[in-house]
Amino acid sequence: GAGVSQSPSNKVTEKGKDVELRCDPISGHTALYWYRQRLGQGLEFLIYFQGNSAPDKSGLPSDRFSAERTGESVSTLTIQRTQQEDSAVYLCASSLTPAQPQHFGDGTRLSIL
Amino acid sequence: DQQVKQNSPSLSVQEGRISILNCDYTNSMFDYFLWYKKYPAEGPTFLISISSIKDKNEDGRFTVFLNKSAKHLSLHIVPSQPGDSAVYFCAAFRSNDYKLSFGAGTTVTVRA
Repeated sequence: GAGVSQSPSNKVTEKGKDVELRCDPISGHTALYWYRQRLGQGLEFLIYFQGNSAPDKSGLPSDRFSAERTGESVSTLTIQRTQQEDSAVYLCASSLTPAQPQHFGDGTRLSIL
Repeated sequence: DQQVKQNSPSLSVQEGRISILNCDYTNSMFDYFLWYKKYPAEGPTFLISISSIKDKNEDGRFTVFLNKSAKHLSLHIVPSQPGDSAVYFCAAFRSNDYKLSFGAGTTVTVRA
């Protein structure tokens, strides 16, 4: 499709398990972003990629969170040893260049039991 | 550290009337402001933006006003339509680190 695609759309897992979330940005978009939205809150910046490198990792909440991007395309956000406070909607966005408006995927709703 | 604030969590307006959404920011380094619209179970979609060197930008029924001295911006929707019912996020962008900061959102309900 032409938009940002995220998978899975929903993920339910037990506390302590690792999860991997995937983002397929719009083709040709060099900038890719991950955000988290907890219930009733705004979007919280997690990490930003320019190409395959991540100049800004300041938003990652803890060392259990990591992200990578390969081929200036797909990105994965990995959360290790999940905790209940990790429950949120994780949104990915991409833009043609960092200065252009971001286009968002529909998010992955993560629920930690 | 909430640098972008939307103090009204919700707004109810009658169809055909004007909707006014407000947003305040604290960081004078922001140089670009955007509004996003979000329906349930979907990602935010870009609506309209304004550069910090301007004070108004209009696109159809949507107009964004920027008051830099007050660090305040607003989104006007006129006339409001039922399809405008959604959550609206204000966002501010810094070109020195390409970081986009979001407000908590305002839920708009347009009554028929």
